[in-house]
Amino acid sequence: NAGVTQTPKFRILKIGQSMTLQCTQDMNHNYMYWYRQDPGMGLKLIYYSVGAGITDKGEVPNGYNVSRSTTEDFPLRLELAAPSQTSVYFCASSTQRGETQYFGPGTRLLVL
Amino acid sequence: QQPVQSPQAVILREGEDAVINCSSSKALYSVHWYRQKHGEAPVFLMILLKGGEQKGHEKISASFNEKKQQSSLYLTASQLSYSGTYFCGTEGGDDKIIFGKGTRLHILP
Repeated sequence: NAGVTQTPKFRILKIGQSMTLQCTQDMNHNYMYWYRQDPGMGLKLIYYSVGAGITDKGEVPNGYNVSRSTTEDFPLRLELAAPSQTSVYFCASSTQRGETQYFGPGTRLLVL
Repeated sequence: QQPVQSPQAVILREGEDAVINCSSSKALYSVHWYRQKHGEAPVFLMILLKGGEQKGHEKISASFNEKKQQSSLYLTASQLSYSGTYFCGTEGGDDKIIFGKGTRLHILP
């Protein structure tokens, strides 16, 4: 059981480039989340999904897109990267509302 | 609608107790508590649900006042390993878990 895995671990992007952050869980969880955490700050919810084919915006969705075609995968797409998107991105999953969220190890993104 | 945590930071000596508070302006379905160490992912501590159910570690205790939309995390006989940043996350029945800014806890030997 690998839990929640995220790739890549670290990435440097130039302004205007695009990339996809991968998130996969092998626990058959319905709920999945993307958060960003700026240095010394809390977690901000970007997007979340309550099941395959269902996604919804969180607190800070602008500049990001997601898809959920399978239960296991929840990729986060950055279009036209900006320095303000420099952050650590965490993916998390849970079975349902009111249950433990399991976090992935995070992806550190630097936009220059 | 971000929950407010207090205090922002705490310094304790090993063996002392601490209380971390979390307050929301909206009605809550659940409150989640996590601890994060520098450079690592958040780790689950406890969930408190509307109606009184609690799920979490045996050595961690917390309370949830549904009427006041407040929760408190109680750390007793603190150990060096308790150091880190504590986050509360609140969920108001819309599946969104919104986290507070965190409380930094530092334990001195």
